[in-house]
Amino acid sequence: AQRVTQPEKLLSVFKGAPVELKCNYSYSGSPELFWYVQYSRQRLQLLLRHISRESIKGFTADLNKGETSFHLKKPFAQEEDSAMYYCALWADGQNFVFGPGTRLSVLP
Amino acid sequence: NAGVTQTPKFQVLKTGQSMTLQCAQDMNHNSMYWYRQDPGMGLRLIYYSASEGTTDKGEVPNGYNVSRLNKREFSLRLESAAPSQTSVYFCASSHSIRKRTDTQYFGPGTRLTVL
Repeated sequence: AQRVTQPEKLLSVFKGAPVELKCNYSYSGSPELFWYVQYSRQRLQLLLRHISRESIKGFTADLNKGETSFHLKKPFAQEEDSAMYYCALWADGQNFVFGPGTRLSVLP
Repeated sequence: NAGVTQTPKFQVLKTGQSMTLQCAQDMNHNSMYWYRQDPGMGLRLIYYSASEGTTDKGEVPNGYNVSRLNKREFSLRLESAAPSQTSVYFCASSHSIRKRTDTQYFGPGTRLTVL
């Protein structure tokens, strides 16, 4: 069965420090992975997807099929990055699986 | 362009009561979804509708029913509410679940408490 894990419930970093939110997945097919973000009092929204190889708000994520990981990284965290982050897996058009989420808190 | 709308925003039920959560989207999307969000468990898919006229079970369908009324609307019904169904419910839509790069657009959520 498809599964997405995010080992950290809460991650606190200081402003300007690098940040890495971990995501691991289990899926026998060819994965399509996403990061969604929910800022305070806002709707859940797409941050980035691996196939686009894009950098959004300074965040990047690389799919590592060998380690079955899709970690989200940013070299210099900003206070406005504080939010709930969800890693998600698209499973062959049958299902979308979200991880449990990591709350990122960027301290001043 | 309102995107995805949900009603109601808040609801309190007693055990055994029934209710329907409404969801509508104005983006002409084919696929729609219902999730529940619980602390420490993230979002779990309850039901989804890949296209108008079809519905399928997700990860946690027990205790729920859905209706894809038309292309715009996808409702979630609790026939006999239980305290375990206390949660925040999110509706989402996307162009097509079968498209690998599909983006889901979420509604604002409904906070449901079952006493």
